Amino acid sequence: SQQGEEDPQALSIQEGENATMNCSYKTSINNLQWYRQNSGRGLVHLILIRSNEREKHSGRLRVTLDTSKKSSSLLITASRAADTASYFCATDNTGNQFYFGTGTSLTVIP
Amino acid sequence: DAGITQSPRHKVTETGTPVTLRCHQTENHRYMYWYRQDPGHGLRLIHYSYGVKDTDKGEVSDGYSVSRSKTEDFLLTLESATSSQTSVYFCAISPSQETQYFGPGTRLLVL
Repeated sequence: SQQGEEDPQALSIQEGENATMNCSYKTSINNLQWYRQNSGRGLVHLILIRSNEREKHSGRLRVTLDTSKKSSSLLITASRAADTASYFCATDNTGNQFYFGTGTSLTVIP
Repeated sequence: DAGITQSPRHKVTETGTPVTLRCHQTENHRYMYWYRQDPGHGLRLIHYSYGVKDTDKGEVSDGYSVSRSKTEDFLLTLESATSSQTSVYFCAISPSQETQYFGPGTRLLVL
């Protein structure tokens, strides 16, 4: 399988703290994306980083990509209770297919 | 949810019966995808479409077939449902093979 893996599987933090989750993948990629899934809902796209980029920001989100290590990290700063969700990375290496990781479950305690 | 709907939202069926799930979009996006989501496996691609009548297999296509006769509709069929196909099924659409927009999901229980 070309599926990525997120680490940790579960993360619990206090509101206001930063949350960091990591994604490792197995093959060369064109881009890597992060998605959020609230309980019982579909996934929502957060951010895309291309293989020739090393860091990208969007609001309170910061994503890094290290293609030499085949890994990415997602940092959520100043977390809020509303950030409680599962977070998935997805890689695109063929242009038509996406491979999702198993997800990190984030709980932000008010 | 970006003009994408799935029907039915919940279904209970018996082993051996055929089941068809429908994904409908109003965005006119070229690419459409069917995924299943299971605990410990994340999302896995079943089939995808890159245009009307153009489809291809994904990572877990065995036991599933798809059809796309119109841009807006992508159907997933389980010819003879098995208990291992109990899952949550998500449809996604994409204009550019990059960002995907997901539907609300269909919970399928095969008894």
